Amino acid sequence: ETGVTQTPRHLVMGMTNKKSLKCEQHLGHNAMYWYKQSAKKPLELMFVYSLEERVENNSVPSRFSPECPNSSHLFLHLHTLQPEDSALYLCASSQGRGVGDTQYFGPGTRLTVL
Amino acid sequence: AQSVTQLDSHVSVSEGTPVLLRCNYSSSYSPSLFWYVQHPNKGLQLLLKYTSAATLVKGINGFEAEFKKSETSFHLTKPSAHMSDAAEYFCVVSEGWDRGYQKVTFGTGTKLQVIP
Repeated sequence: ETGVTQTPRHLVMGMTNKKSLKCEQHLGHNAMYWYKQSAKKPLELMFVYSLEERVENNSVPSRFSPECPNSSHLFLHLHTLQPEDSALYLCASSQGRGVGDTQYFGPGTRLTVL
Repeated sequence: AQSVTQLDSHVSVSEGTPVLLRCNYSSSYSPSLFWYVQHPNKGLQLLLKYTSAATLVKGINGFEAEFKKSETSFHLTKPSAHMSDAAEYFCVVSEGWDRGYQKVTFGTGTKLQVIP
């Protein structure tokens, strides 16, 4: 877990709040990812960044806004969320972005939207 | 389009007995396949991966998986379960996506219970 860190580990927010999730990777990787893990659903890929270029999953609502200032840091900015957005948000990184590149995951941020 | 089916949502075994977690996949191309494990309140940890080399893949903690193209399966096995193996296991398929990115699809997970 020390390779990819996420803060905070737990977050409770109201629907009108604005907050940010932070991810940092210490592995020298070039690609970073945001995933959403909801109960009884498969992990959903939200965003991919490679060398700061973004590839989006088109189904992600605009209330989620990613930012990747450099190859080691990734943020997920949250605003006007809904209760159904409550989930575990996982960050991952990989050396490259190609097929078969192993993704290394952080411990996640448990988000609760009231 | 790729997909992953984990055939059992829960598996229960006695400590010291074999473990079998089943995974079937569909893929248009030659995929890469992974197994990850997630312990409670933890992130996902890679157990093993297949990338078109040997079809029998050995991973950490005594786990292994066999890629069977004819059956489109990638089942995870371990000869003898340990209490510390109790966790949730995810089968993952990776294919090519836009502009050279890989797109990974996760199965819904199998929760392994180990009974003392």
